[in-house]
Amino acid sequence: DGGITQSPKYLFRKEGQNVTLSCEQNLNHDAMYWYRQDPGQGLRLIYYSQIVNDFQKGDIAEGYSVSREKKESFPLTVTSAQKNPTAFYLCASSPGFNQPQHFGDGTRLSIL
Amino acid sequence: DQQVKQNSPSLSVQEGRISILNCDYTNSMFDYFLWYKKYPAEGPTFLISISSIKDKNEDGRFTVFLNKSAKHLSLHIVPSQPGDSAVYFCAATGTVRTNAGKSTFGDGTTLTVKP
Repeated sequence: DGGITQSPKYLFRKEGQNVTLSCEQNLNHDAMYWYRQDPGQGLRLIYYSQIVNDFQKGDIAEGYSVSREKKESFPLTVTSAQKNPTAFYLCASSPGFNQPQHFGDGTRLSIL
Repeated sequence: DQQVKQNSPSLSVQEGRISILNCDYTNSMFDYFLWYKKYPAEGPTFLISISSIKDKNEDGRFTVFLNKSAKHLSLHIVPSQPGDSAVYFCAATGTVRTNAGKSTFGDGTTLTVKP
C-alpha cells in the first residue's frame, strides 16, 4: 500500500537541542511539503520541495531546515533557533503542482 | 494577513440535512481550490477540488461551488451523515510563479453531524 510515513508519532525535545522529524513516501511523488499546525489554526507551510536536491522556504521557515537527497525522503530538522517548536507537524506529497496532497499522520513535538 | 479564511469555526447539523461550509480568499492569483477532511490524530485527506475555470464540481454527496467575483467557495454535503463529523480545511493554490506549488490553508471548520 502506497502512502506517507512520519516518525515518530510523538517526540520530546530539551531546550537547545536540534531534533529531526522523518518523512518517507512510496507514492513516487515529485513534490513534498512540511506544515505546522497549532491548536485551532490551519496548516502553515514550513518548506516544500518540487524535485530532488531542490527545496524552497514556505511562510514560516525560520528555525527549520530540510534536505531532499532522495525522492522518497524529506526530513525536517527543528533547530534550537525555533523559539516555539511545540506543535503538530504534518508532511505531505503530491504528484506535482496543483495536485491534491497526500498527508502523513503527523508528529507531535513537545518541549521538556 | 490571512489569505484564506473560514469564518465559521464550527457547524452542527442534523443527520440527513445539508451541511454548507464556507471559505473566502483574498489573493486573486489563486486558481485551484481544494477541500480536505481531517479526523483527530490523523493527517488530512483530500475530498474534492475545483479549478477556477469552473464554478461547480460534484462528487457523490459532495459539491463545491466557486464564485470568483466574490472570491468565495463553499462545500455542500447532502445528505450529511454522522461519519462526516470532522474538521474541514479549505486550501488554495496557484499556477503563476508567486504561488506555484504552495497551498494556503484556512483555519478549518469543525462539522458535527448529529444522529
